[in-house]
Amino acid sequence: NAGVTQTPKFQVLKTGQSMTLQCAQDMNHEYMSWYRQDPGMGLRLIHYSVGAGITDQGEVPNGYNVSRSTTEDFPLRLLSAAPSQTSVYFCASSYSAGGRELFFGEGSRLTVL
Amino acid sequence: GENVEQHPSTLSVQEGDSAVIKCTYSDSASNYFPWYKQELGKRPQLIIDIRSNVGEKKDQRIAVTLNKTAKHFSLHITETQPEDSAVYFCAGRSTDKLIFGTGTRLQVFP
Repeated sequence: NAGVTQTPKFQVLKTGQSMTLQCAQDMNHEYMSWYRQDPGMGLRLIHYSVGAGITDQGEVPNGYNVSRSTTEDFPLRLLSAAPSQTSVYFCASSYSAGGRELFFGEGSRLTVL
Repeated sequence: GENVEQHPSTLSVQEGDSAVIKCTYSDSASNYFPWYKQELGKRPQLIIDIRSNVGEKKDQRIAVTLNKTAKHFSLHITETQPEDSAVYFCAGRSTDKLIFGTGTRLQVFP
């Protein structure tokens, strides 16, 4: 049981490049989400999904796209990277949205030059 | 939507002392309030949570209290140990979103 797996762990991009952060969970969780963590800003919700085929915006969705075609996978896409998107990104999942423990991946550190 | 404020941003205590971290939330409909601990370079992990129909919950040296009227909740750590040193995040659940506070860096000195 791997839990929540994120790839890559580290990535350096140039401004304007695109990339996808991958997230997969093997716990059959319905709820998945993406957060970004910046110093002094805590964990800010980017996008979330309550089940396959359903996604919604969080606190800071601009510049990011998501899709949820399967229960297991929830990729985060940066269409045109900007230096302001330099951050540590965490994918997290839970059994449901209704007040259950969030299990986090190990994080992906992204640097945009 | 939900807004969660957390204080203090840093907290230093002597080993064996108690530590208290406070959070306030804005959405009166929020009904679930977890606390996460993040050690340096690691992922956040749940340490305790409380639901809106409960005023206090304890688990060994940690406890959480909730005041729904004032819309604030607190984390209490007693008999602190060096391994309690970490960043602690409170959170509140509004509809399907779990919104986090900005974190408290707790340092426990031997």
